Amino acid sequence: QSALTQPASVSGSPGQSITLSCTGTSSDVGNYLLVSWYQHHPGKVPKLVIYEVNKRPSGVSDRFSGSKSGNTASLTISGLQAEDEADYYCSSFGGSRIRVLFGGGTKLTVL
Amino acid sequence: DVQLLESGGGLVQPGGSLKLSCVASGFTFSNHAMTWVRQVPGKGLEYVSSISGFGSGTYYADSVKGRFTISRDNSKNTLYLQMDSLRVEDTAIFYCAKDIDTSGWYHHYHHGMDVWGQGTTVTVSS
Repeated sequence: QSALTQPASVSGSPGQSITLSCTGTSSDVGNYLLVSWYQHHPGKVPKLVIYEVNKRPSGVSDRFSGSKSGNTASLTISGLQAEDEADYYCSSFGGSRIRVLFGGGTKLTVL
Repeated sequence: DVQLLESGGGLVQPGGSLKLSCVASGFTFSNHAMTWVRQVPGKGLEYVSSISGFGSGTYYADSVKGRFTISRDNSKNTLYLQMDSLRVEDTAIFYCAKDIDTSGWYHHYHHGMDVWGQGTTVTVSS
């Protein structure tokens, strides 16, 4: 069982917008502005798409955006494209007890 | 180019030891906290351990505490993970990753991991 809760799967059609959720607690997601999201295509290396809740690394498409409300963080992908089909993991700073928490991952399918 | 290159993975018997290395290039290594993350094929990402830029802060997942030791040599731009008392359940691909924050000298606050190595496979089996 992962520390952060993500839906196992989400699907959408090309051009649509979808939102992935990531639920933690008031000790991690709710307490810090330190949530990050990773895109992982099987067989490849994970790629950072959002850091510090809503910042995009250089080179990441502006179709990716992040937000947080209370203990739940969200990743929104707009204008869905076939290449967005991948596993997405959220992560949060966990405080002094455990530095890094991951969600179990959400498999995004582009129909 | 900013790059991380892991090595040291392999096949080891339960109870054995391995030492992973991760050589960094293209950035000021000591400015960044570094993290080891592992993934069992077909499963999710799992935090293993992390270390601050100067090496003064070291952190571990409960599952490896007391068995794994993280360290770094900033003069060699190299991160290490010494793994002892290995168990079958430690079998995974191990990635090293760089924290995006440029002031992680004393503590690791996990802002986000923006550069990942290609991974090295550790197999624990008799």
